[in-house]
Amino acid sequence: EVQLVESGGGLVKPGGSLRLSCAASGLTFSSYAMNWVRQAPGKGLEWVSSISISSIHIYYADSVKGRFTISRDNAKNSLYLQMNSLRAEDTAVYYCGKSASIGAYHYYYMDVWGKGTTVTVSS
Amino acid sequence: DIQMTQSPSSLSASVGDRVTITCRANQGISNYLAWYQQKPGKVPKLLIYAASTLQSGVPSRFSGSTSGTDFTLTISSLQPEDVATYYCQNYNSAPWTFGQGTKVEIK
Repeated sequence: EVQLVESGGGLVKPGGSLRLSCAASGLTFSSYAMNWVRQAPGKGLEWVSSISISSIHIYYADSVKGRFTISRDNAKNSLYLQMNSLRAEDTAVYYCGKSASIGAYHYYYMDVWGKGTTVTVSS
Repeated sequence: DIQMTQSPSSLSASVGDRVTITCRANQGISNYLAWYQQKPGKVPKLLIYAASTLQSGVPSRFSGSTSGTDFTLTISSLQPEDVATYYCQNYNSAPWTFGQGTKVEIK
């Protein structure tokens, strides 16, 4: 069974930093693009960032560009999100999501989701 | 950037009713459209990809269709377990935007 487990969330002051991790199991991690999606309290889903299988292609939402950095370690089956210069509006549950792969093609919709980790930015 | 506009934002229907949710893209995205279901307090779940392909294990009362830049999610016979918020997502080009969501309740 494919499992994604996020960690690293917590309470941080505005301007602070956090590093989220997503540990993957039950799949060949290096074969799939990966994503971060967030959901602020009572709000909808917001795509945050995506990374291709070999980290060549990286994408960010405008709202986090220049502050967040996505990375992956295929040897450790892990995805990361380094979040700097955090703002109150970054408060959300952050989900790790596996991209779908059909044949040799990778698509940036999520067919497996983790349970999420909560980030709260507050003084 | 591609904007995805979902309607309605919420709806209330009776068990057994046919329910339709629409997602409109502000430019062409071919059929690169996914639908997700998020039940209260739960993780989002993929329902449909490629606009009309049902994800494995999803009940056949769910279906998707497309007409140009308009995409539709249909629940043919609403069940109590379908109470959830439904989101569309563009995956044609980054940013992979979600719609605002449609909350479905039972009347």
